[in-house]
Amino acid sequence: GAGVSQSPSNKVTEKGKDVELRCDPISGHTALYWYRQSLGQGLEFLIYFQGNSAPDKSGLPSDRFSAERTGGSVSTLTIQRTQQEDSAVYRCASSFSGLQGYGYTFGSGTRLTVV
Amino acid sequence: AQSVTQLGSHVSVSEGALVLLRCNYSSSVPPYLFWYVQYPNQGLQLLLKYTSAATLVKGINGFEAEFKKSETSFHLTKPSAHMSDAAEYFCAVTPNTGNQFYFGTGTSLTVIP
Repeated sequence: GAGVSQSPSNKVTEKGKDVELRCDPISGHTALYWYRQSLGQGLEFLIYFQGNSAPDKSGLPSDRFSAERTGGSVSTLTIQRTQQEDSAVYRCASSFSGLQGYGYTFGSGTRLTVV
Repeated sequence: AQSVTQLGSHVSVSEGALVLLRCNYSSSVPPYLFWYVQYPNQGLQLLLKYTSAATLVKGINGFEAEFKKSETSFHLTKPSAHMSDAAEYFCAVTPNTGNQFYFGTGTSLTVIP
């Protein structure tokens, strides 16, 4: 597609429920990143994919968080047993081949609210 | 280790005045540096980037930034602020190896008419 697409744009869930967030990167971008932006905070790195593999998942805050990417394209971030501290905007970005000089293209994010 | 410090979480300038948003970085290896802008309810958009070529980098919308190694700084400037510049600005650093970008906490720019 023309840009990075994320869905849903907003998600309200009850504490303890599982949620899935979807990211559709720019066509041809092999690198895909998930970040989290809490209210008043900067962006917190979660996980990086190169193709379908995740060489860096060091930012996932707990084992309730997982992510996968299939076909070198769409990625899904899953949060199990959501907690109120999971409330944030989850941002996906993609990059051509993961080379640092290219920078990222970000999606508009998914705003997750856990009540 | 890499990190980014943005001085001033909120900056207000009058329309037509100089915009200066500060960014200092720490990096154990020569970095790549970026400024991103986030307009309300939108994703982050790349403003400009430094990738070890010219130290003065020009970006979109009249913004520019200068890489100063001796000061470990990459401040963002624009000579004359416009109302449409009101947004959140993020500085980011990445080493030229590895995969992760490190973002500052952002500076919210308000332009006063």
